[in-house]
Amino acid sequence: GAVVSQHPSWVICKSGTSVKIECRSLDFQATTMFWYRQFPKQSLMLMATSNEGSKATYEQGVEKDKFLINHASLTLSTLTVTSAHPEDSSFYICSASEERDYGYTFGSGTRLTVV
Amino acid sequence: SQQGEEDPQALSIQEGENATMNCSYKTSINNLQWYRQNSGRGLVHLILIRSNEREKHSGRLRVTLDTSKKSSSLLITASRAADTASYFCASTGGGNKLTFGTGTQLKVEL
Repeated sequence: GAVVSQHPSWVICKSGTSVKIECRSLDFQATTMFWYRQFPKQSLMLMATSNEGSKATYEQGVEKDKFLINHASLTLSTLTVTSAHPEDSSFYICSASEERDYGYTFGSGTRLTVV
Repeated sequence: SQQGEEDPQALSIQEGENATMNCSYKTSINNLQWYRQNSGRGLVHLILIRSNEREKHSGRLRVTLDTSKKSSSLLITASRAADTASYFCASTGGGNKLTFGTGTQLKVEL
């Protein structure tokens, strides 16, 4: 079945630095990938839709300059948290779908802790 | 914004019992999906039911969909301790964005 690999699985960084999270579709091409954020014991909130070869579409309230998304190829999307602050600490998850109207495959998530 | 509300927020049962989780959504959907998330991990797709379907089975899972009431239910039969996880309903509307319900935390005790 479809596999989405997300890396790193956890990262600790200092306040003010930037962190890049990678999301790869291993055995299928994904023109669209999605980035979510999840706080403890809460649901997933969609942050943005990553579109291969074009600009990402951000959800209302998500700072595009803070969360930079690049989808340079059909198998790779990256999320860069710029100038991270402690309030950016969260669980970030990406997903992609092999076909429309099929279930989505999720990466294993990245636990970001900003100290 | 969240598409759905799930009920109950938390459910604790004994191994062997059935677990039922309900999901209500707000707007029209193309399909409704259920996902499972173990603590601190990614999500696993369990089952998808299309808007023109009313019931679907997969192993110990049974999903129903009532589009007139904008609601869905997930039944896990003969639960096991390994079923302990959070369960989310999610749906796509006219586009391909998947939005999630609030989730149900299921605990299955031995």
